[in-house]
Amino acid sequence: DIVMTQSPDSLAMSLGERATINCKSSQSVLYNSNNKNYLAWFQQKPGQPPKLLIYWASTRESGVPDRFSGSGSGTDFTLTISSLQAEDVAVYYCQQYSTTPITFGQGTRLEIK
Amino acid sequence: EVQLVESGGGLVKPGGSLRLSCVGSGFTFSNAWMNWVRQGPGKGLEWVGRIKSKSNGETIDYAAPVKGRFSISREDSKNTVYLQMNSLRAEDTAMYYCVTGMYSDYWGQGTLVTVSS
Repeated sequence: DIVMTQSPDSLAMSLGERATINCKSSQSVLYNSNNKNYLAWFQQKPGQPPKLLIYWASTRESGVPDRFSGSGSGTDFTLTISSLQAEDVAVYYCQQYSTTPITFGQGTRLEIK
Repeated sequence: EVQLVESGGGLVKPGGSLRLSCVGSGFTFSNAWMNWVRQGPGKGLEWVGRIKSKSNGETIDYAAPVKGRFSISREDSKNTVYLQMNSLRAEDTAMYYCVTGMYSDYWGQGTLVTVSS
């Protein structure tokens, strides 16, 4: 199984600051055949299901604010929120979908300082 | 608008069975790969399993903790995917989400399963 490890586990930032969450996979999730990284990012607010933010490591889902961006390739990935807003308080998860079992990171809790 | 509505959750005793259903609308259900993902109380996300579309052979995969106890099926004529859960254990207590697609683009609101005596 591919193990997904996120860092940090929690993060407290001030409004307007840049927030960075890292995700590392135990094996590459890059498919050479199509040069795509099978990596997604999700946001989960309390009492709600997760919401897809980013897929193919860097493609923003429709309707997601452009302050959210994804980067990385192979085994190392980053979710960046360029200017933190109050509504960004949530738990963030990375997920690999390159092979089953599909696996998630343990989550990173983002709070406002 | 894509909608996924799960049902069938509830309280069940250890060793019991439950069948969850998920009805999808607002997309071509027959073309969709359908997943089940669960989240224990205060815990992270855990993929349970997936059924591909008929055109992709309706291939089904399961996570190791549920393999042999849970089964996934689909009825495209009813835009419905099912999760049959047998031999339930306390550790299966979770919110169960129905999720579309390869990269989990749409999620239902979930149905709560509690396994307790």
